[in-house]
Amino acid sequence: ETGVTQTPRHLVMGMTNKKSLKCEQHLGHNAMYWYKQSAKKPLELMFVYSLEERVENNSVPSRFSPECPNSSHLFLHLHTLQPEDSALYLCASSRTANTGELFFGEGSRLTVL
Amino acid sequence: KQEVTQIPAALSVPEGENLVLNCSFTDSAIYNLQWFRQDPGKGLTSLLLIQSSQREQTSGRLNASLDKSSGRSTLYIAASQPGDSATYLCAPKAVRGSQGNLIFGKGTKLSVKP
Repeated sequence: ETGVTQTPRHLVMGMTNKKSLKCEQHLGHNAMYWYKQSAKKPLELMFVYSLEERVENNSVPSRFSPECPNSSHLFLHLHTLQPEDSALYLCASSRTANTGELFFGEGSRLTVL
Repeated sequence: KQEVTQIPAALSVPEGENLVLNCSFTDSAIYNLQWFRQDPGKGLTSLLLIQSSQREQTSGRLNASLDKSSGRSTLYIAASQPGDSATYLCAPKAVRGSQGNLIFGKGTKLSVKP
């Protein structure tokens, strides 16, 4: 298995839908991240979890709700999104939050209609 | 606030050429710097990680250097191949600011022509 697995790979949802993105890491890491990649913009950090505790919330709207039930799994719950939220959402993990090398999943391509 | 600039934004070379990608960052207080490649519509693949105490790292045909005091890193690709075509991103991890946050440049889009 690959180190960081994301599902689904593609998601189309309406503005009133509720959906979730899932990330699983098989590397024994203690930190997990959600990044957003929009067209023609650098990657933006959304959330950081270290040992299952959220340590960073980078001014993300409340319509994005993360959940980290254990050190191997990370979710991003989505509700009442806007079309401008359409982007590639990337999950990553590292051994430690501050100094570890980041490993990324393949991403979930989200389209909001 | 850390800012990362990558030059050039795009590069097209014939197969077999050696090439250098440049990365500059404004805050030299970093834990490490990581180079990634990204294929269209895909996630990021880690290429090299240089710790702040190191000057360079090598992996196969790739060599990355770090001059922390001047806020610069370069990625050298030897004997380029069409399979090297991708967007290359550098990301320093700053000591100051958000915990665990890599700050990314916009990348260099490389095209290697057969």
